[in-house]
Amino acid sequence: DAGVIQSPRHEVTEMGQEVTLRCKPISGHDYLFWYRQTMMRGLELLIYFNNNVPIDDSGMPEDRFSAKMPNASFSTLKIQPSEPRDSAVYFCASSRLRGRSTGELFFGEGSRLTVL
Amino acid sequence: TQLLEQSPQFLSIQEGENLTVYCNSSSVFSSLQWYRQEPGEGPVLLVTVVTGGEVKKLKRLTFQFGDARKDSSLHITAAQPGDTGLYLCVAGNNRKLIWGLGTSLAVNP
Repeated sequence: DAGVIQSPRHEVTEMGQEVTLRCKPISGHDYLFWYRQTMMRGLELLIYFNNNVPIDDSGMPEDRFSAKMPNASFSTLKIQPSEPRDSAVYFCASSRLRGRSTGELFFGEGSRLTVL
Repeated sequence: TQLLEQSPQFLSIQEGENLTVYCNSSSVFSSLQWYRQEPGEGPVLLVTVVTGGEVKKLKRLTFQFGDARKDSSLHITAAQPGDTGLYLCVAGNNRKLIWGLGTSLAVNP
Protein backbone atom coordinates (compact mmCIF):
# COMPACT_ATOMS: atom_id res chain seq x y z
CA ASP A 1 0.00 0.00 0.00
CA ALA A 2 1.26 3.48 -0.78
CA GLY A 3 2.07 5.66 2.17
CA VAL A 4 1.75 9.41 2.43
CA ILE A 5 3.21 10.94 -0.72
CA GLN A 6 4.80 14.39 -0.69
CA SER A 7 6.26 16.48 -3.46
CA PRO A 8 8.69 17.92 -4.14
CA ARG A 9 11.32 16.16 -2.00
CA HIS A 10 13.64 19.13 -2.32
CA GLU A 11 12.98 22.73 -3.25
CA VAL A 12 15.51 25.52 -3.52
CA THR A 13 14.09 28.94 -4.22
CA GLU A 14 14.89 32.59 -3.83
CA MET A 15 13.42 34.90 -1.27
CA GLY A 16 10.12 36.34 -2.43
CA GLN A 17 9.15 33.41 -4.61
CA GLU A 18 5.99 31.37 -4.12
CA VAL A 19 6.41 27.82 -2.86
CA THR A 20 3.76 25.12 -3.11
CA LEU A 21 4.16 21.81 -1.31
CA ARG A 22 1.85 18.91 -2.08
CA CYS A 23 0.57 15.92 -0.15
CA LYS A 24 -1.48 12.84 -0.90
CA PRO A 25 -2.63 11.17 2.32
CA ILE A 26 -3.28 7.48 2.82
CA SER A 27 -6.64 6.49 1.42
CA GLY A 28 -9.29 6.22 4.13
CA HIS A 29 -7.51 8.49 6.59
CA ASP A 30 -9.71 11.37 7.64
CA TYR A 31 -7.09 13.52 9.40
CA LEU A 32 -4.28 15.35 7.63
CA PHE A 33 -1.53 17.30 9.35
CA TRP A 34 1.15 19.68 8.11
CA TYR A 35 4.28 19.92 10.26
CA ARG A 36 7.51 21.90 9.98
CA GLN A 37 10.75 20.51 11.43
CA THR A 38 13.90 22.46 12.28
CA MET A 39 16.85 21.67 14.51
CA MET A 40 16.02 24.50 16.88
CA ARG A 41 12.27 24.05 17.24
CA GLY A 42 11.74 20.39 16.41
CA LEU A 43 8.39 19.34 14.94
CA GLU A 44 5.82 22.12 14.90
CA LEU A 45 2.21 21.57 13.92
CA LEU A 46 1.15 24.14 11.35
CA ILE A 47 -2.41 23.08 10.59
CA TYR A 48 -4.59 20.02 10.54
CA PHE A 49 -7.72 19.00 8.66
CA ASN A 50 -10.52 16.60 9.50
CA ASN A 51 -12.62 15.38 6.59
CA ASN A 52 -11.05 18.11 4.41
CA VAL A 53 -12.07 20.89 6.83
CA PRO A 54 -9.33 22.94 8.56
CA ILE A 55 -9.72 22.42 12.31
CA ASP A 56 -6.76 24.19 13.87
CA ASP A 57 -4.49 26.59 11.99
CA SER A 58 -3.09 28.31 15.07
CA GLY A 59 0.37 27.02 14.22
CA MET A 60 0.53 28.77 10.86
CA PRO A 61 3.31 31.35 11.35
CA GLU A 62 1.70 34.24 9.52
CA ASP A 63 -0.45 35.23 6.58
CA ARG A 64 2.26 34.20 4.15
CA PHE A 65 1.31 30.60 4.85
CA SER A 66 -1.88 29.02 3.58
CA ALA A 67 -3.13 25.45 3.28
CA LYS A 68 -5.96 23.86 1.38
CA MET A 69 -7.51 20.44 1.15
CA PRO A 70 -9.88 20.46 -1.84
CA ASN A 71 -10.64 16.74 -1.54
CA ALA A 72 -9.81 13.71 0.58
CA SER A 73 -6.80 12.76 -1.50
CA PHE A 74 -4.92 16.03 -1.88
CA SER A 75 -3.63 18.93 0.16
CA THR A 76 -1.30 21.86 -0.49
CA LEU A 77 0.76 24.13 1.71
CA LYS A 78 1.66 27.43 0.08
CA ILE A 79 4.15 30.05 1.18
CA GLN A 80 3.93 33.40 -0.56
CA PRO A 81 6.26 35.22 -0.44
CA SER A 82 8.92 32.89 0.92
CA GLU A 83 11.66 34.08 3.28
CA PRO A 84 14.99 32.50 4.34
CA ARG A 85 13.60 31.76 7.80
CA ASP A 86 11.04 29.44 6.17
CA SER A 87 13.84 27.02 5.35
CA ALA A 88 12.95 23.71 7.01
CA VAL A 89 11.66 20.22 6.30
CA TYR A 90 7.90 20.21 5.88
CA PHE A 91 6.07 17.00 6.67
CA CYS A 92 2.59 15.89 5.82
CA ALA A 93 1.01 13.17 7.96
CA SER A 94 -2.32 11.43 7.95
CA SER A 95 -4.18 9.35 10.48
CA ARG A 96 -7.43 7.69 11.32
CA LEU A 97 -7.95 8.60 14.95
CA ARG A 98 -9.95 6.13 16.95
CA GLY A 99 -12.00 7.17 19.92
CA ARG A 100 -10.26 9.37 22.47
CA SER A 101 -6.80 7.87 22.16
CA THR A 102 -4.07 9.26 19.98
CA GLY A 103 -3.98 7.48 16.67
CA GLU A 104 -0.86 6.60 14.74
CA LEU A 105 0.44 9.33 12.50
CA PHE A 106 1.78 8.19 9.14
CA PHE A 107 4.33 10.65 7.83
CA GLY A 108 5.50 11.31 4.32
CA GLU A 109 9.19 11.57 3.52
CA GLY A 110 9.10 15.34 3.82
CA SER A 111 9.84 18.29 1.56
CA ARG A 112 13.14 20.00 2.30
CA LEU A 113 12.78 23.70 1.53
CA THR A 114 15.73 26.04 1.21
CA VAL A 115 15.01 29.72 0.67
CA LEU A 116 18.07 31.71 -0.40
CA THR B 1 2.38 25.77 28.33
CA GLN B 2 2.80 22.03 28.19
CA LEU B 3 6.33 20.91 27.42
CA LEU B 4 7.98 17.58 26.85
CA GLU B 5 11.66 17.47 27.70
CA GLN B 6 13.77 14.73 26.24
CA SER B 7 17.18 13.72 27.51
CA PRO B 8 19.87 13.32 26.57
CA GLN B 9 19.72 15.48 23.46
CA PHE B 10 22.54 13.55 21.80
CA LEU B 11 23.94 10.09 22.49
CA SER B 12 26.77 8.26 20.72
CA ILE B 13 27.52 4.70 21.80
CA GLN B 14 29.20 1.55 20.59
CA GLU B 15 27.34 -1.42 19.20
CA GLY B 16 26.30 -3.80 21.97
CA GLU B 17 25.88 -1.20 24.69
CA ASN B 18 22.64 -0.56 26.56
CA LEU B 19 21.03 2.86 26.84
CA THR B 20 18.03 4.66 28.26
CA VAL B 21 16.47 7.88 27.03
CA TYR B 22 13.87 9.90 28.87
CA CYS B 23 10.81 11.99 28.17
CA ASN B 24 9.59 14.18 31.03
CA SER B 25 6.82 16.66 31.65
CA SER B 26 5.10 18.42 34.53
CA SER B 27 1.74 17.72 32.91
CA VAL B 28 -0.39 14.60 32.98
CA PHE B 29 -1.18 13.05 29.61
CA SER B 30 -3.80 10.59 28.47
CA SER B 31 -1.36 8.83 26.17
CA LEU B 32 2.23 8.94 25.04
CA GLN B 33 3.92 7.70 21.90
CA TRP B 34 7.50 7.09 20.80
CA TYR B 35 8.53 7.59 17.18
CA ARG B 36 11.86 6.94 15.47
CA GLN B 37 13.01 9.10 12.59
CA GLU B 38 15.83 8.01 10.31
CA PRO B 39 17.79 10.59 8.27
CA GLY B 40 15.83 11.80 5.27
CA GLU B 41 12.65 10.07 6.39
CA GLY B 42 9.53 10.91 8.34
CA PRO B 43 8.97 9.65 11.91
CA VAL B 44 7.62 6.13 12.32
CA LEU B 45 5.57 5.03 15.31
CA LEU B 46 7.23 2.55 17.67
CA VAL B 47 4.72 2.33 20.51
CA THR B 48 1.73 3.93 22.23
CA VAL B 49 1.26 3.75 26.01
CA VAL B 50 -1.92 4.83 27.75
CA THR B 51 -1.91 3.35 31.27
CA GLY B 52 0.21 4.66 34.14
CA GLY B 53 2.98 2.17 34.92
CA GLU B 54 2.54 0.39 31.61
CA VAL B 55 5.55 -1.43 30.18
CA LYS B 56 5.75 -2.52 26.56
CA LYS B 57 8.49 -4.45 24.84
CA LEU B 58 9.37 -4.38 21.17
CA LYS B 59 12.24 -6.82 20.61
CA ARG B 60 15.24 -5.08 22.24
CA LEU B 61 13.29 -1.93 23.07
CA THR B 62 11.45 -1.52 26.39
CA PHE B 63 9.08 1.39 26.90
CA GLN B 64 7.67 2.50 30.24
CA PHE B 65 4.97 5.04 31.04
CA GLY B 66 5.33 6.65 34.47
CA ASP B 67 2.81 5.84 37.18
CA ALA B 68 1.58 9.44 37.17
CA ARG B 69 1.47 9.55 33.35
CA LYS B 70 3.88 12.49 33.26
CA ASP B 71 7.00 10.77 31.97
CA SER B 72 8.29 7.87 29.96
CA SER B 73 11.52 6.03 29.26
CA LEU B 74 12.88 4.00 26.39
CA HIS B 75 15.54 1.40 27.10
CA ILE B 76 17.48 -0.29 24.30
CA THR B 77 19.41 -3.45 25.03
CA ALA B 78 22.47 -4.38 22.99
CA ALA B 79 22.15 -1.45 20.60
CA GLN B 80 22.82 -2.04 16.92
CA PRO B 81 23.76 0.40 14.13
CA GLY B 82 20.23 0.02 12.78
CA ASP B 83 18.94 1.70 15.95
CA THR B 84 20.56 4.95 14.85
CA GLY B 85 18.04 7.76 14.49
CA LEU B 86 16.09 10.50 16.21
CA TYR B 87 13.79 9.23 18.95
CA LEU B 88 10.79 11.46 19.51
CA CYS B 89 8.22 11.30 22.25
CA VAL B 90 4.82 12.86 21.77
CA ALA B 91 2.05 13.10 24.31
CA GLY B 92 -1.62 13.69 23.79
CA ASN B 93 -4.46 15.37 25.58
CA ASN B 94 -7.84 15.90 23.94
CA ARG B 95 -6.32 15.30 20.52
CA LYS B 96 -3.69 18.00 20.97
CA LEU B 97 -0.23 16.56 20.54
CA ILE B 98 2.88 17.89 22.25
CA TRP B 99 6.20 16.83 20.68
CA GLY B 100 9.58 16.65 22.36
CA LEU B 101 12.70 17.80 20.50
CA GLY B 102 14.03 14.25 20.44
CA THR B 103 17.13 12.30 21.35
CA SER B 104 19.57 11.83 18.48
CA LEU B 105 21.16 8.38 18.84
CA ALA B 106 24.21 7.18 16.95
CA VAL B 107 25.27 3.56 17.34
CA ASN B 108 28.77 2.99 16.03
CA PRO B 109 29.83 -0.44 14.69
